[in-house]
Amino acid sequence: DIQLTQSPSFLSASVGDRVTITCRASQGINNYLAWYQQKPGRAPKLLIYSASTLQTGVPSRFSGSGSGTDFTLTISGLQPEDFATYYCQQDTSFPLTFGGGTKVNIK
Amino acid sequence: EVQLVESGGGLVEPGGSLRLSCAASGFTFSDYYMDWVRQAPGKGLEWVGRSRSKAKRYTTEFVASVKGRFAISRLESENSVYLHMNSLKIEDTAIYYCTRGFRLNGRTWFDPWGQGTLVTVSS
Repeated sequence: DIQLTQSPSFLSASVGDRVTITCRASQGINNYLAWYQQKPGRAPKLLIYSASTLQTGVPSRFSGSGSGTDFTLTISGLQPEDFATYYCQQDTSFPLTFGGGTKVNIK
Repeated sequence: EVQLVESGGGLVEPGGSLRLSCAASGFTFSDYYMDWVRQAPGKGLEWVGRSRSKAKRYTTEFVASVKGRFAISRLESENSVYLHMNSLKIEDTAIYYCTRGFRLNGRTWFDPWGQGTLVTVSS
């Protein structure tokens, strides 16, 4: 199975901050990676797929990069509605797997 | 508008069975992959299984921990997909989400998701 390791697990940030979350795969996954946002009590929402493509309707302050084993999700100018948990997910091979999540808290 | 609505969750004893339903609307159901993802209380996301599209004969895949115990079926006339869960274990306790597979260039991403239904396995 492909393991996805996210770091950090938790981070505290202020509105307006630039935030970077990393996701490392246990083996190369090309760019077959997505990022999801989940708010408490809500279902996850697709933000980015194919490592760097923004899903329709997602604000441009979100961006993704990477290929192979190392990926990043960046939020440029954190907004109050961005405080949530973020997960990466690979679509290279079964079983499909998710990272452990990064919870972004208000500082 | 694309919508997914799950139902069927509840309390079940270890070793019991349960069938979850996911009613889809707003898109051509048979053209899409449909996946189930679960989330244990306070934990992260775990992919459970997939039903491919009609063109792929609705073939299925599962995570190892549920293989042989869970099955996925569809009913086209109801635009519904079902997760049949047997021999349930305490560790199957989770919110179960139904999600549509958004396919592009041979890859599949989860979008959108239903609201989830809670399954509790306990004696």
